[in-house]
Amino acid sequence: ETGVTQSPTHLIKTRGQQVTLRCSSQSGHNTVSWYQQALGQGPQFIFQYYREEENGRGNFPPRFSGLQFPNYSSELNVNALELDDSALYLCASSLGQGATGELFFGEGSRLTVL
Amino acid sequence: GENVEQHPSTLSVQEGDSAVIKCTYSDSASNYFPWYKQELGKRPQLIIDIRSNVGEKKDQRIAVTLNKTAKHFSLHITETQPEDSAVYFCADMSSYKLIFGSGTRLLVRP
Repeated sequence: ETGVTQSPTHLIKTRGQQVTLRCSSQSGHNTVSWYQQALGQGPQFIFQYYREEENGRGNFPPRFSGLQFPNYSSELNVNALELDDSALYLCASSLGQGATGELFFGEGSRLTVL
Repeated sequence: GENVEQHPSTLSVQEGDSAVIKCTYSDSASNYFPWYKQELGKRPQLIIDIRSNVGEKKDQRIAVTLNKTAKHFSLHITETQPEDSAVYFCADMSSYKLIFGSGTRLLVRP
């Protein structure tokens, strides 16, 4: 059990809608990273939060945004949903900024956009 | 830019045989190389990792080798079992993010 929890586990939205995904990091971990995994592909880095600030961002448009809270939990928000946003969204927590340690993944939130 | 290439995309072996998956990376600053196993509908799980100051690491039936000069690293699974069937991802970490390969679907035939 990694201790990283995500919600919701599954959800269905329609194009143009907005979605918020949530993640609780493993106890003691202060860094949260979000990844998008499309079907049949490897996870793609969206962004990372460290001490409530965005620490780095992958090649995703601004309609992908996030937050980290004082308890290190995090949210991923996606506005103006597109069909290609359908994917498994994975949250991973770790200890330290730019850590070269293990990332602990949650079970993910599977988003379907119709 | 940063890129990790992984081969093969699919691999079928007989139970008891060995399986080898290979990855190459492009960022010479990469210093951490984990391997993840992902079963259908599940999260990626770390199975072994290696850091840039080590050339080889072994954990029971699983081993990873790293050649920093050639920017290659490989996963070796010996005495494969049906429960090893899954998708395996290599990754490298540069700065703050993991760059994943495209995955290898391993099938172990009983």
